[in-house]
Formats: sequence, C-alpha cells, structure tokens
Amino acid sequence: DAGVTQSPTHLIKTRGQQVTLRCSPKSGHDTVSWYQQALGQGPQFIFQYYEEEERQRGNFPDRFSGHQFPNYSSELNVNALLLGDSALYLCASSQTQNIQYFGAGTRLSVL
Amino acid sequence: DQQVKQNSPSLSVQEGRISILNCDYTNSMFDYFLWYKKYPAEGPTFLISISSIKDKNEDGRFTVFLNKSAKHLSLHIVPSQPGDSAVYFCAASEGGSGGSNYKLTFGKGTLLTVNP
Repeated sequence: DAGVTQSPTHLIKTRGQQVTLRCSPKSGHDTVSWYQQALGQGPQFIFQYYEEEERQRGNFPDRFSGHQFPNYSSELNVNALLLGDSALYLCASSQTQNIQYFGAGTRLSVL
Repeated sequence: DQQVKQNSPSLSVQEGRISILNCDYTNSMFDYFLWYKKYPAEGPTFLISISSIKDKNEDGRFTVFLNKSAKHLSLHIVPSQPGDSAVYFCAASEGGSGGSNYKLTFGKGTLLTVNP
C-alpha cells in the first residue's frame, strides 16, 4: 500500500516564477493538507482540501493556491515566487476523523 | 505568536534510559495533541496522540502525558534506542478526536540523540 507520494522531490526556480507541486494521498484517504516547513521551524499549515473544496486556510497570501481532483490527488501552486518561499513543502493525507500522514516533501529553492 | 512551543532544541540520552520531550501550548481551544517523528529526507511520521478528555495515552515504549491546567504535554520514551534518534514535533488541533483531521499547529521540534 503506497503512502503519500509527492513530486517532484527537488525544484529550483527563480524569483517571480510560478511553481506547481503535486501530491497523491494514501489509498482510502479523502482529505489533503499542505504545509510549509522553513529551515529550523515546524511545519506551518497552508490549506486543506476535502471534496475538491478548500476547507481551511492558514495565514498565507493569495499567491498560494491549490486544487483537489476527483481522485483526491492535489496540487499546490505558488505564483510570483519570493526568496522567502524557499522551504520544504509537505503534503499530508487523512480520512475523516483520522490521523494525518505525511509525504517526504518537495524541497523548493528560489534563487 | 507561537501557540505550540518546544523549548528544548535538542536532547541527548543514553541507550536504555528514559527520554522526556516537553511541549507547551497557549491556545486553550486546542483539544487534540499529536507527536510526530522526523528523520532527515523523510516526512513526519505519526507516533502517538491524546485527546483532552484523557491525561495519559500509552503505545508500547511511548507514553504521552497531558496536563490541561498547565497547558503542557510530554512524550516519554522508555527504554530509548539509537533508532529513536530523530526530530520530534509536538502538534495540536481543535475539534476533538475528529480534529486530528483539521489544521495542525506544530512546535519547532526537538532533536533527540540516543547514544549507544
């Protein structure tokens, strides 16, 4: 049983560019959450998707947007990249009322 | 404003001894708490959780204690093993046992090193 998978594993972009990160949830999970982990910090909640709708959102600007597909997979899009967007982006999946399971993350570097 | 605080960036213990990792929170609306372990180049792995209606939860070598009045929780690992060496994150959410599916607020983590 595959766990949460994220792609790509690493990404290098320049300031002002746009990026799309992808996440496939664990089999049987219907909810996907995205977190940003800066160096030396804990993960910070970006938003959560359930039934293809954004259910909750953290304190992130509108440059961060997402989508959930009918097969429950999800994308995180970041527009107009800033140097400060360099971080590890983690995807977590869960079933209703269950624990969140994390993928290995995508390491984004903005130059 | 950090709502979940792990004040010890690192902890070193000898194999076989007890490891105690601490976590404090400020948001009184938090009612579900989790501990995750993270190895380098991997995502956080769920370890153990506790609802605010309990004050203790055990799973094998891992026990989590919750003191609601002090807004404090701790993770005990007994006995500690070298394979336990990792970063441990404390996380909290609102919404009861169903709230584990909602937004998680994390601490900054504690690096545990278990020496053989």
